[in-house]
Amino acid sequence: EADIYQTPRYLVIGTGKKITLECSQTMGHDKMYWYQQDPGMELHLIHYSYGVNSTEKGDLSSESTVSRIRTEHFPLTLESARPSHTSQYLCASSALRRTGTDTQYFGPGTRLTVL
Amino acid sequence: GQQLNQSPQSMFIQEGEDVSMNCTSSSIFNTWLWYKQEPGEGPVLLIALYKAGELTSNGRLTAQFGITRKDSFLNISASIPSDVGIYFCAGTYNNNDMRFGAGTRLTVKP
Repeated sequence: EADIYQTPRYLVIGTGKKITLECSQTMGHDKMYWYQQDPGMELHLIHYSYGVNSTEKGDLSSESTVSRIRTEHFPLTLESARPSHTSQYLCASSALRRTGTDTQYFGPGTRLTVL
Repeated sequence: GQQLNQSPQSMFIQEGEDVSMNCTSSSIFNTWLWYKQEPGEGPVLLIALYKAGELTSNGRLTAQFGITRKDSFLNISASIPSDVGIYFCAGTYNNNDMRFGAGTRLTVKP
């Protein structure tokens, strides 16, 4: 079982606010990810990181930004939230196995609503 | 590209019935993973498959990594109400890039 945490679990904010979604993992995993998911729909990768000071954009374009200053911490920031940002945001982490493959473990998600 | 086709999109079954869902692709994958997601939560890993032909069980769940490396299936035997949720397949390719299927929504009627 993986130990990966996200806060807040739920957030309702007004348009134009700056927000940061927190994600932390205690497993020492090098790789971390952010996904965006509308309820009951597929997951879309928006950001990932191979390790400290590494950040890459995912398949789905996003106005959010990320940082990776510490191995265990991968926060996501929206400078000016809009209603179109309303969604669930899922954080995941993984570590390479000896077989050369990795397995992603997910946090519980943050449900964001922008009014 | 590395697109995954997951089917069926949804299933409505009676408690006690067996369930089968699958993922296929025109591309080869190095790993197949099956996750379950309940409303308001993140996906939870059920089974991970690392070798072509591998058949792995986790309680009432059984999954197989297809010989061609282009498909995988998940079976659930003797379904119970708590099996309700969305089941996602995922596959890794290249340098551990990952693709997710669109999910199979399972409803179990008592």
